[in-house]
Amino acid sequence: AQSVTQLGSHVSVSEGALVLLRCNYSSSVPPYLFWYVQYPNQGLQLLLKYTSAATLVKGINGFEAEFKKSETSFHLTKPSAHMSDAAEYFCAVSESASYDKVIFGPGTSLSVIP
Amino acid sequence: DGGITQSPKYLFRKEGQNVTLSCEQNLNHDAMYWYRQDPGQGLRLIYYSQIVNDFQKGDIAEGYSVSREKKESFPLTVTSAQKNPTAFYLCASSTPGQTYGYTFGSGTRLTVV
Repeated sequence: AQSVTQLGSHVSVSEGALVLLRCNYSSSVPPYLFWYVQYPNQGLQLLLKYTSAATLVKGINGFEAEFKKSETSFHLTKPSAHMSDAAEYFCAVSESASYDKVIFGPGTSLSVIP
Repeated sequence: DGGITQSPKYLFRKEGQNVTLSCEQNLNHDAMYWYRQDPGQGLRLIYYSQIVNDFQKGDIAEGYSVSREKKESFPLTVTSAQKNPTAFYLCASSTPGQTYGYTFGSGTRLTVV
């Protein structure tokens, strides 16, 4: 069965510092992997998506993630944090291109310290 | 612009009442989904529908009901059988093969008073 774990329910970084949000997954087939961002009282917005093409995926707002099959990981990074990056981040996995069963991780709340 | 509209933004329910949350999309997406979000628990799937007049239970369907009479609309009813309905509810849509995953609405926050 699919599952997603996100290490650290809350991460704090200083403005300008590297952002690293961790995601590990389990899947019985090659997965589709996603990172979503959620601002307070808003829906989720897709940051980036891995679909078996390039292992390094670039997304919006300067974020990128690297798919590492050997480590079953899909960590999200950004070289320099901005105050506007403060939000909740969700990693998600699907075993199907029809996305009928996307499993979301518990989320990581990112705080950016001025 | 195309998107998903959820209404109302905030909803208050008395004990024992049924309430219906609206979700409308103009993206021409085939599939629609309802998720419940509680702090620290991520998103949990309530119901989903891949075609009109058909829907499937998700992981936490008890106490909820849905209908899919039109492609654009997927309302969720929170019934009195749902013992702990206070949560943030998110509607999403997708089409197989699309390259951008799910599109989400802005959510409805339901509070039992």
